[in-house]
Amino acid sequence: QSALTQPASVSGSPGQSITISCTGTSGDIGGYKYVSWYQQHPGKAPKLMIYDVTNRPSGVSNRFSGSKSGNTASLTISGLQAEDEADYYCNSYSSSTTLYVFGTGTKVTVL
Amino acid sequence: EVQLVESGGGLVQPGGSLRLSCAASGLRISDYYMAWVRQAPGKGLEWVGRITHIGDGYATEYAASVRGRVTISRDDSKNSLYLQMTSLKADDTALYYCITEFWYRFEYWGQGTVITVSS
Repeated sequence: QSALTQPASVSGSPGQSITISCTGTSGDIGGYKYVSWYQQHPGKAPKLMIYDVTNRPSGVSNRFSGSKSGNTASLTISGLQAEDEADYYCNSYSSSTTLYVFGTGTKVTVL
Repeated sequence: EVQLVESGGGLVQPGGSLRLSCAASGLRISDYYMAWVRQAPGKGLEWVGRITHIGDGYATEYAASVRGRVTISRDDSKNSLYLQMTSLKADDTALYYCITEFWYRFEYWGQGTVITVSS
């Protein structure tokens, strides 16, 4: 099972909006609504930011939103802030030989 | 406050074995599926495997990359999760996270324990 494809890096200025894509197949992203997103700051454990494609856990800023179209999921960060600078990983339930697959990861830089 | 604390990592020779433990506090793991995720140095996240709760028969699933070399178990009475790894290879070198799985999302994460496979 190959990892889901994410851009290696995305950058934006404070206050701007950025979108991170996550591309899979009909066997994972395209076939299920179970896409989640995780934020990881250097040296820290990942943190759940979005689940079930669009839902935010309690305590996560509403500047973070998720969506899906076909085999591609997206995470949008609005009103970019310095604290958003981190690595972001998507994850999807999968019907393949491995139950869950993560994305390759995207480094977000706030200019 | 929920805490997942992993232990048992260390340096092991290729072909060796290791058992990781994860002690939970602030939640009852009996309410959750539990899983392991790893992260090789400077690399991305990789799902390793999971074990369901008693309601679903403590069933296990493993990533293709570790299947046959890994066993996940749990002791709900000790609020603990375990990962037994055998026939370790250099590619298994990583930080191993203990996590909760609840309705297809990974909400709680430990800080991880490092396995280094090297001669």
